[in-house]
Amino acid sequence: RKEVEQDPGPFNVPEGATVAFNCTYSNSASQSFFWYRQDCRKEPKLLMSVYSSGNEDGRFTAQLNRASQYISLLIRDSKLSDSATYLCVVIGNTGGFKTIFGAGTRLFVKA
Amino acid sequence: DTAVSQTPKYLVTQMGNDKSIKCEQNLGHDTMYWYKQDSKKFLKIMFSYNNKELIINETVPNRFSPKSPDKAHLNLHINSLELGDSAVYFCASSQQGQGLEKLFFGSGTQLSVL
Repeated sequence: RKEVEQDPGPFNVPEGATVAFNCTYSNSASQSFFWYRQDCRKEPKLLMSVYSSGNEDGRFTAQLNRASQYISLLIRDSKLSDSATYLCVVIGNTGGFKTIFGAGTRLFVKA
Repeated sequence: DTAVSQTPKYLVTQMGNDKSIKCEQNLGHDTMYWYKQDSKKFLKIMFSYNNKELIINETVPNRFSPKSPDKAHLNLHINSLELGDSAVYFCASSQQGQGLEKLFFGSGTQLSVL
């Protein structure tokens, strides 16, 4: 089993749609969780951190479920500019911090 | 001002050559990394340095040798390049500890080995 798994997609959605991505992780000792966004041929950029209580940033909502070991990202009212790859990132502290990236979920938002 | 800058952006070279990629960060972070993103888009950590000391070396061939002259710089030297080394290499930095491990990436170096 991969340490961090994501549905690679692609997700093709119309503008204005709501879309959700899930990500599962295998290390129950994982401590920090993030979503990054990567545009084509660009570097990954932090989208948002993910907290146990859930957090929201505008149209984006992230949730963490420690019991089931997954995190989610919800995008409401999708924009064309949301088209990108969304990377799930999990950090564990087992003998030192280790950052694991998921392979990413590709999102296409169409007019 | 670019927070994490790496050069060159593109690197095309022949098999067997030796090449270097440079990285600098002006964020005052303690930790710097090299990541490799292959054709399948997996981002995998190669090395991590904290205050010039190697803390992570993820089963990378000896042909890859990172060097950190100070905590703001982490360069990557690759000897005897192979076709399989073709990928995008990203430098990154973070401030370690207490959940502050957000990564800031450079714009990447596209390495093509012919």
